[in-house]
Amino acid sequence: EVQLVESGGGLVQPGGSLRLSCAATGFTFSASNMNWVRQAPGKGLEWVSWISTSGGAVHYADSVKGRFIISRDNAKNSLYLEVNSLRDEDTAVYYCAKGTWHENWGQGTLVTVSS
Amino acid sequence: DVVMTQSPLSLSVTLGQPASISCRSSQSLVYTDGNTYLNWFHQRPGQSPRRLIYKVSNRDSGVPDRFSGSGSGTDFTLKISRVEAEDVGVYYCMQNTHWPPITFGQGTRLEIK
Repeated sequence: EVQLVESGGGLVQPGGSLRLSCAATGFTFSASNMNWVRQAPGKGLEWVSWISTSGGAVHYADSVKGRFIISRDNAKNSLYLEVNSLRDEDTAVYYCAKGTWHENWGQGTLVTVSS
Repeated sequence: DVVMTQSPLSLSVTLGQPASISCRSSQSLVYTDGNTYLNWFHQRPGQSPRRLIYKVSNRDSGVPDRFSGSGSGTDFTLKISRVEAEDVGVYYCMQNTHWPPITFGQGTRLEIK
């Protein structure tokens, strides 16, 4: 069974940083492209970032480009999102999703940006 | 960027009755390989999204056959033949034909009348 478990969220001040993690089990992680998608409170889904199987290719939404960094460690079956220079509007639940077609999702981790 | 527009934004349906959600894209979602990368997701209250349909009309494993997807080009539809209580929540369409960015519709909230 595919399982994706996010962690690392929390309360952070504007301008601060966090590192989000997604632990993957139940599938061949190294063979799957991965994504981060976020959802602000009471709002819809917003794609954030994508990474290829090897980590050699990445893409970002314009809203986070230059501030967020996606990475992965295939030996640890883990996906990461380093979120920097955080703004109020980055407050959201952050989900990791398996595959370019988002076939499986984790339960999410909440990032709250507030002073 | 491809804009995905869903309608209606909310839907109130009697149990056992059909429901239909429309998703329109700002440009054709047919990719150069001939496939159309339009997916549908369902998010129950307090839960993470779950994919229901991929490439317009393919149901994911475990998805009841009362759910069906159809459409082509820029116009797509998700239909529920007979709504059940567990179908409440928000439905999203998503395209990854022209990306980045991958884009979602605004969501359609389904409730039971």
